[in-house]
Amino acid sequence: DGGITQSPKYLFRKEGQNVTLSCEQNLNHDAMYWYRQDPGQGLRLIYYSQIVNDFQKGDIAEGYSVSREKKESFPLTVTSAQKNPTAFYLCASSIGSGVEYEQYFGPGTRLTVT
Amino acid sequence: GDSVTQMEGPVTLSEEAFLTINCTYTATGYPSLFWYVQYPGEGLQLLLKATKADDKGSNKGFEATYRKETTSFHLEKGSVQVSDSAVYFCALSDPTNAGKSTFGDGTTLTVKP
Repeated sequence: DGGITQSPKYLFRKEGQNVTLSCEQNLNHDAMYWYRQDPGQGLRLIYYSQIVNDFQKGDIAEGYSVSREKKESFPLTVTSAQKNPTAFYLCASSIGSGVEYEQYFGPGTRLTVT
Repeated sequence: GDSVTQMEGPVTLSEEAFLTINCTYTATGYPSLFWYVQYPGEGLQLLLKATKADDKGSNKGFEATYRKETTSFHLEKGSVQVSDSAVYFCALSDPTNAGKSTFGDGTTLTVKP
């Protein structure tokens, strides 16, 4: 079955530690995205990538970093510089970056930093 | 910049009631419009979409029509079921914004038997 996998589902870290969230897709999609979701709020774009070895900052990139070395993988690192890292993180992909293409979402990773 | 405004929730309905969730948008370009649904603890799933004015998207009994004149994309269903309880997000993708999507804040729907 084709889809997007995110691991782990729950992640706990101490303040001051960097943590990397995994996102893998086997849909052969070119574009991939990372969003942050906070309670009662919509999705806010952290980073996106339209093609391998290229990515752009979204609306809230500060304190985060990404890489896109392979088409199927787009890991997100939450650094210690992120002021409020506790949130639900969603990875998504789409066939391309054209406006007509919907996004396919993974199940999410809930990160708790104490 | 682009924005999506959804009616505030939560919305609570009885089974078989009629559902409307309002969505209006502002966009620089001529966007595509989407409704996504999120069940508890899961990611979002596409419910329906429309890519040009007057298009009607439909799926699983849900419908929404792209109204350019009122910049709206309201979600409707004639008879809701308990299994429709979820959070619904309206979103747009704007060609002048590198095709990035902008999401509304979501509307929580609870359907009671």
